[in-house]
Amino acid sequence: NAGVTQTPKFRVLKTGQSMTLLCAQDMNHEYMYWYRQDPGMGLRLIHYSVGEGTTAKGEVPDGYNVSRLKKQNFLLGLESAAPSQTSVYFCASSQASGLAGNTDTQYFGPGTRLTVL
Amino acid sequence: AQSVTQPDIHITVSEGASLELRCNYSYGATPYLFWYVQSPGQGLQLLLKYFSGDTLVQGIKGFEAEFKRSQSSFNLRKPSVHWSDAAEYFCAVGARSNDYKLSFGAGTTVTVRA
Repeated sequence: NAGVTQTPKFRVLKTGQSMTLLCAQDMNHEYMYWYRQDPGMGLRLIHYSVGEGTTAKGEVPDGYNVSRLKKQNFLLGLESAAPSQTSVYFCASSQASGLAGNTDTQYFGPGTRLTVL
Repeated sequence: AQSVTQPDIHITVSEGASLELRCNYSYGATPYLFWYVQSPGQGLQLLLKYFSGDTLVQGIKGFEAEFKRSQSSFNLRKPSVHWSDAAEYFCAVGARSNDYKLSFGAGTTVTVRA
């Protein structure tokens, strides 16, 4: 199993450009999440999904859109990139069974480092 | 709302010495608590988690954490630090009732000196 993978690993954009970050998981997890990591702020939740075809806003959703057309993929879009969106983006997934154990734990991808000039 | 505070931004410890990282959380019900570690340029790796039961939990790499409800704390400890433990450590809180969304602390950077 590859676990959670993210594409691309690095990207540089100019202000106003658009892009899509792809997250893929091969663990058949229901829940998927997008976070951004900024120095001194930990990770903050952007959007998440509790199943195929569903999305919901997190703590910092403005300027981002997401889609979950397939269970294994979760896309994060920036329609018009701004320098404030320079960050490291992490995707995570979890299987929520309602029973504590190896489920209910988020597994993270390696991250995408995005710079907006 | 759930939140996490990690009071120590940076800790320096000598190799072989003990380490304790503090974590305080705020959540109305019984939380799920996690410690993750992030090495430079890497993603987050789960060290350990607490859901219920025994309040002292063992994790990977020789780490353990103790859940203290009365103090709203979930401190991480390691008896003897190795140079490879230099990394950033994040405490996180989540709940089933909140779609398992995690709230992270700002992180504690650990430096290990020889």
